[in-house]
Amino acid sequence: NAGVTQTPKFRVLKTGQSMTLLCAQDMNHEYMYWYRQDPGMGLRLIHYSVGEGTTAKGEVPDGYNVSRLKKQNFLLGLESAAPSQTSVYFCASSRTGGGYTFGSGTRLTVV
Amino acid sequence: AQSVAQPEDQVNVAEGNPLTVKCTYSVSGNPYLFWYVQYPNRGLQFLLKYITGDNLVKGSYGFEAEFNKSQTSFHLKKPSALVSDSALYFCAVRDRGSQGNLIFGKGTKLSVKP
Repeated sequence: NAGVTQTPKFRVLKTGQSMTLLCAQDMNHEYMYWYRQDPGMGLRLIHYSVGEGTTAKGEVPDGYNVSRLKKQNFLLGLESAAPSQTSVYFCASSRTGGGYTFGSGTRLTVV
Repeated sequence: AQSVAQPEDQVNVAEGNPLTVKCTYSVSGNPYLFWYVQYPNRGLQFLLKYITGDNLVKGSYGFEAEFNKSQTSFHLKKPSALVSDSALYFCAVRDRGSQGNLIFGKGTKLSVKP
């Protein structure tokens, strides 16, 4: 009964380093999403996927890349981290037309 | 374009009093509407949704929301607030006719004092 699992939960990066955030869902959902949450900004969509092998840009895609090689996994990559990418990142999944199930988040600090 | 407005950054309520968290929306067609709650250091949790039918929707933890098409609103309500209801609340909308993503409001912080 895991739902949506995000790893890692916390990470500190130096400017210019790269990393990958992993999101896994066990609900057989077609859609998956990556959001970032910043104070006063609410949730902003970074990238999303409507199915295995497909990805699309959201509201704030610059500096991020994603891949959906398997239906249950959605990876978010930062190739060269910047302090502006300090944020809390949330993954979510959904069925077509359904509400979202969220992971517990990854708190990323870039110094 | 779709949008969601939560006009209050923060709502303060005394325990036992009724609470309302406001949400208005703009979509080109008929909406799907959602409320989510976020407790500190946690992900968002689903509270309730309006798809069709009765304008008063009941959800988790005693919360309910009223869909008002003429005012394009979907306010979250609870008859008697608890201190444990203190959290960040997000309203979200999607145009029923599209496969688009949910659009979230910026969130309203609810603080319930004993």
